[in-house]
Amino acid sequence: QKEVEQNSGPLSVPEGAIASLNCTYSDRGSQSFFWYRQYSGKSPELIMSIYSNGDKEDGRFTAQLNKASQYVSLLIRDSQPSDSATYLCAVKREYGNKLVFGAGTILRVKS
Amino acid sequence: EAGVAQSPRYKIIEKRQSVAFWCNPISGHATLYWYQQILGQGPKLLIQFQNNGVVDDSQLPKDRFSAERLKGVDSTLKIQPAKLEDSAVYLCASSSIRDRGHNEQFFGPGTRLTVL
Repeated sequence: QKEVEQNSGPLSVPEGAIASLNCTYSDRGSQSFFWYRQYSGKSPELIMSIYSNGDKEDGRFTAQLNKASQYVSLLIRDSQPSDSATYLCAVKREYGNKLVFGAGTILRVKS
Repeated sequence: EAGVAQSPRYKIIEKRQSVAFWCNPISGHATLYWYQQILGQGPKLLIQFQNNGVVDDSQLPKDRFSAERLKGVDSTLKIQPAKLEDSAVYLCASSSIRDRGHNEQFFGPGTRLTVL
């Protein structure tokens, strides 16, 4: 079992729809969770961080965390073609400062 | 605030040659990371520094990879000798120790290495 798992996709959604990206993790003691966006040929860009159970909203992005289920998700409302990218989930282990990344989900928003 | 700087952006070398990458973190960030990202995979941590000390180098192939951060600011990552499987993007990231331990990391543009 991988430490951080994501569906590789591609996830295709029409412009204006809600894109839902999911991530599960195995280290039950993990406390910090991050979503990075990575455009093709570019480096990862931090777009959301979440540390407590529940929802955290920032503009069109909402991160959701459920520690009991070891599940974190990212919702993108009103998806735009410019949101087409690979979304990486990263989890900070309980001990140490190490981030473990999933392999990413490719999102394609079609106009 | 300037971001993480890296150079070179691209490098093509023959196998068994050596190569070095340079990173300058965000000003004031004490923690610096080097990652390797192979196409289609997430970044994999190679080494983590806090100031000029190594915190984690458990996944660094020490027979060929080395890294240093002598003055607690800039860092260099070296590969000698390179193998075909070292073809990847090498990412540098930094984080502040003032973020209450959450470890928000910010990445530089990366160096794309091709080993022929």
